[in-house]
Amino acid sequence: GAVVSQHPSWVICKSGTSVKIECRSLDFQATTMFWYRQFPKQSLMLMATSNEGSKATYEQGVEKDKFLINHASLTLSTLTVTSAHPEDSSFYICSAGTNNEQFFGPGTRLTVL
Amino acid sequence: GESVGLHLPTLSVQEGDNSIINCAYSNSASDYFIWYKQESGKGPQFIIDIRSNMDKRQGQRVTVLLNKTVKHLSLQIAATQPGDSAVYFCATMGQGGKLIFGQGTELSVKP
Repeated sequence: GAVVSQHPSWVICKSGTSVKIECRSLDFQATTMFWYRQFPKQSLMLMATSNEGSKATYEQGVEKDKFLINHASLTLSTLTVTSAHPEDSSFYICSAGTNNEQFFGPGTRLTVL
Repeated sequence: GESVGLHLPTLSVQEGDNSIINCAYSNSASDYFIWYKQESGKGPQFIIDIRSNMDKRQGQRVTVLLNKTVKHLSLQIAATQPGDSAVYFCATMGQGGKLIFGQGTELSVKP
């Protein structure tokens, strides 16, 4: 149980385009989902907290207009990287929370050319 | 504020030896700690957790020790195997269920 999936697992896009990443809790309902970014050889950095039916809460320094988060249901949250640039290339990981536990997705590798 | 740090960025051990990975935290109010294992290109995987009302917790081949006096916790892996090679993160849970991750230690197991 407690499986979280992400789609796509990797994506390559051109600079200036937008990319949508999906995070799904497959066998449980998640009232809260979290989005992290991880650069090579670094730790996970929390970007935002997403609650179903409400606006996401962004961490300091994360541009909410660039990283659009939608939490449309208790099993799906999406992160859209708008007008992507090479510096947005990173490993994006989501986690879904239930009963004070968090379960992580497998991550999405974004490469912006 | 809350922060979690690790003493060593890399650790190399011989297969069969025990591994010890350390973590320091700064917020004395932290009451829940988690160790994660992250293999290359994958998401973090839960290993073991401990609450502040305990000082030791054991799992399968893993033990977490918590020293609240010096705000330090460690992960011990017994009889380390090649499959244990990964980056290990400690994390503490803050307000709203947010996880604050430490720097990470890359464990390399030599055959």
